[in-house]
Amino acid sequence: GEDVEQSLFLSVREGDSSVINCTYTDSSSTYLYWYKQEPGAGLQLLTYIFSNMDMKQDQRLTVLLNKKDKHLSLRIADTQTGDSAIYFCAEIHQGGKLIFGQGTELSVKP
Amino acid sequence: GAVVSQHPSRVICKSGTSVKIECRSLDFQATTMFWYRQFPKKSLMLMATSNEGSKATYEQGVEKDKFLINHASLTLSTLTVTSAHPEDSSFYICSAKQGAMQAGELFFGEGSRLTVL
Repeated sequence: GEDVEQSLFLSVREGDSSVINCTYTDSSSTYLYWYKQEPGAGLQLLTYIFSNMDMKQDQRLTVLLNKKDKHLSLRIADTQTGDSAIYFCAEIHQGGKLIFGQGTELSVKP
Repeated sequence: GAVVSQHPSRVICKSGTSVKIECRSLDFQATTMFWYRQFPKKSLMLMATSNEGSKATYEQGVEKDKFLINHASLTLSTLTVTSAHPEDSSFYICSAKQGAMQAGELFFGEGSRLTVL
């Protein structure tokens, strides 16, 4: 099927690291994405990783990709209250169609 | 980065009326635009893919006559919800693709929240 799966909730304390996990389905996806959505807002592209990479780091964000297991993770270092949002992973299908996971609601407690 | 603008950001309408939502690419030509629908606390579901100058391709289960999509220019696509009913209330988000697909070249609008009374 076309299900991209994520856990629905994650709660961390400010300053801790957050790890959001995702499993995807299409092994031929060339890119995998992480988007952030704040309440009532659209999607903000956080980062993406090309399928031939294992890891990508961008400031506080680290993306790990395990192609064999079709597993993608997003690690946010030194999580801040402003990081509270819903995080979506997405895989790209032919023609540019994105298939999104259900979203992980990250709650950061002070 | 490139900007995609949606209008209106919020709209409330009476049941039975039609509502048009616009998606504009402000500083690039979008050969393809995508329309997504998001229910509260749910993921985004692709409704249709819109290519400039041709008919939109709808995903399975999406009513073509209910959700009319027009992509008349390289910078504008419109979604018209016809004869809206309360179950059409949702958050509609468009995205626009610039040229051949490469990472980061898919830009999202801020979304339009439709409430049908």
